[in-house]
Amino acid sequence: DSGVTQTPKHLITATGQRVTLRCSPRSGDLSVYWYQQSLDQGLQFLIQYYNGEERAKGNILERFSAQQFPDLHSELNLSSLELGDSALYFCASSEGTGGYQETQYFGPGTRLLVL
Amino acid sequence: DAKTTQPTSMDCAEGRAANLPCNHSTISGNEYVYWYRQIHSQGPQYIIHGLKNNETNEMASLIITEDRKSSTLILPHATLRDTAVYYCIVRVNYGGATNKLIFGTGTLLAVQP
Repeated sequence: DSGVTQTPKHLITATGQRVTLRCSPRSGDLSVYWYQQSLDQGLQFLIQYYNGEERAKGNILERFSAQQFPDLHSELNLSSLELGDSALYFCASSEGTGGYQETQYFGPGTRLLVL
Repeated sequence: DAKTTQPTSMDCAEGRAANLPCNHSTISGNEYVYWYRQIHSQGPQYIIHGLKNNETNEMASLIITEDRKSSTLILPHATLRDTAVYYCIVRVNYGGATNKLIFGTGTLLAVQP
């Protein structure tokens, strides 16, 4: 158990809908990262938040957005969902801003299926 | 793009040591090598990391060659629960940010009974 929690575990929705995925980091960690894992793209970095502020951005679509709240939990919002958004979404956390020596610990993921 | 090259798959007998190689010939002086594994769609699990010295923890050992162009992850006594995809990752400096992990395709280790 990494200490990172994600809800829900599974989500089934329809195209065009909007969903919110939630992540709680390990106790004391200030950074939260979101990754997407699809069959054809592998594990890809989406975005990082550090202490409430966006820190780094990856291959995140404009239809997707994230935020980190004062209690440090984070939410990933996915809107206008398409079939291709079906994937595993992982959250990770680390102690600080995310330097070379900083290990990221991953949660169990949310499996999203868009029908 | 990932800066590492790993074999697509490997087999190992249960109870034997599993040696997983990784090539990272373009690694820079201050870039760390990290290893994660993913067991069947679970979240990636951190295993170990190192810079230039060999490292050991309760899960595995990491051997990095002197020129740092390759490394080997060693699971000393593989069990069936070690069957997973193992990812070798070099923490790359992207314009000052080392935040993201770049996952390649990894090595599928199948531990055989």
